[in-house]
Amino acid sequence: GAGVSQSPRYKVAKRGQDVALRCDPISGHVSLFWYQQALGQGPEFLTYFQNEAQLDKSGLPSDRFFAERPEGSVSTLKIQRTQQEDSAVYLCASSLGPPAGLYEQYFGPGTRLTVT
Amino acid sequence: GQQVMQIPQYQHVQEGEDFTTYCNSSTTLSNIQWYKQRPGGHPVFLIQLVKSGEVKKQKRLTFQFGEAKKNSSLHITATQTTDVGTYFCAVGRSYIPTFGRGTSLIVHP
Repeated sequence: GAGVSQSPRYKVAKRGQDVALRCDPISGHVSLFWYQQALGQGPEFLTYFQNEAQLDKSGLPSDRFFAERPEGSVSTLKIQRTQQEDSAVYLCASSLGPPAGLYEQYFGPGTRLTVT
Repeated sequence: GQQVMQIPQYQHVQEGEDFTTYCNSSTTLSNIQWYKQRPGGHPVFLIQLVKSGEVKKQKRLTFQFGEAKKNSSLHITATQTTDVGTYFCAVGRSYIPTFGRGTSLIVHP
């Protein structure tokens, strides 16, 4: 079917506002990743889901960041009380799994978050 | 976590020239992936290398995995304007990928 989709594509938030970013992975993909990409940098790992289980959230920068995937498909990344340093592109990727080693990841188009 | 260094950060070439980017790790890698990200786009998977000394080709692109599995390279022969973008390597232990900073390729027509 279709690839990974993300919404919204662009989000402007005022400092202190809460935001929710959505990811629709490829149907049947067990693994789902969230990344943060700053300008001129590679994607930085935030969190990983295997089906509905959040197996790793070691990359979340603060307790203002929260992610969920309640039914093992769609995932939401929520950022509370946004700060200017949260401005970045947030990428979602899905892959077949569970993995032993790395699997090919399929990335969504990303959500560009700008905090003013 | 695993660290990976990617060089150079930028590379300007004239169309038709060759291009190489390198990915280096201080630890032995189980495997390595390469991705391409066009300006304004998202990373797209190119290839995965697993075996020591492995060499894979995709048209004008040649990927190598070092004998010690601590480094890898991507070589593009006779660059074209369509090759413009940032090339990332990604390494990982288990399921957590670590991406290099990327090499941005700029091709001048």
